[in-house]
Amino acid sequence: EDQVTQSPEALRLQEGESSSLNCSYTVSGLRGLFWYRQDPGKGPEFLFTLYSAGEEKEKERLKATLTKKESFLHITAPKPEDSATYLCAVQESGGSYIPTFGRGTSLIVHP
Amino acid sequence: KAGVTQTPRYLIKTRGQQVTLSCSPISGHRSVSWYQQTPGQGLQFLFEYFSETQRNKGNFPGRFSGRQFSNSRSEMNVSTLELGDSALYLCASSSGGSGTGELFFGEGSRLTVL
Repeated sequence: EDQVTQSPEALRLQEGESSSLNCSYTVSGLRGLFWYRQDPGKGPEFLFTLYSAGEEKEKERLKATLTKKESFLHITAPKPEDSATYLCAVQESGGSYIPTFGRGTSLIVHP
Repeated sequence: KAGVTQTPRYLIKTRGQQVTLSCSPISGHRSVSWYQQTPGQGLQFLFEYFSETQRNKGNFPGRFSGRQFSNSRSEMNVSTLELGDSALYLCASSSGGSGTGELFFGEGSRLTVL
């Protein structure tokens, strides 16, 4: 069973059409949850770290939120340049601190 | 500040050959991690080095190995290549304090095994 599950696998939006990406996790204790953005042919780029339920982080049109079992990446009024794969990673407390990555959500924003 | 540099960016090998990939981390970063990324499996952790010591290892066969030098630069080696080793190999550096998940990735080395 995957520890980190992202949904949907792919999402197509029209420019300006807000939506949310989901990352659910099953670790027993959370040390940290991370969001990354990956453009085609590039390495992932760090976006946010969330540590505890109720925490929120914002950057331009992106807002990440965290509950006890999942995180959401809200995209408000997206633009074509927001098109990318968004990866979620979870770091479990009490064990190896190596983050486990989900398989990502591929987002395409049409003009 | 220069980012993480990986070389080569692209390479093609045949089954049975071996390959060495190189990674130069961000200046001052002492932790270097390696990941394999494929469409089917996503990002899979290979190993992590900190101050020239392997600190963590993922679930990959012994054909995959790595090392870190005193200047924090790292190399990974894959011997006896198989078709399934075709992937994007990503290196990530971090300050490596108490195990930060904030990783800074290079652009990757895309390996094709024929």
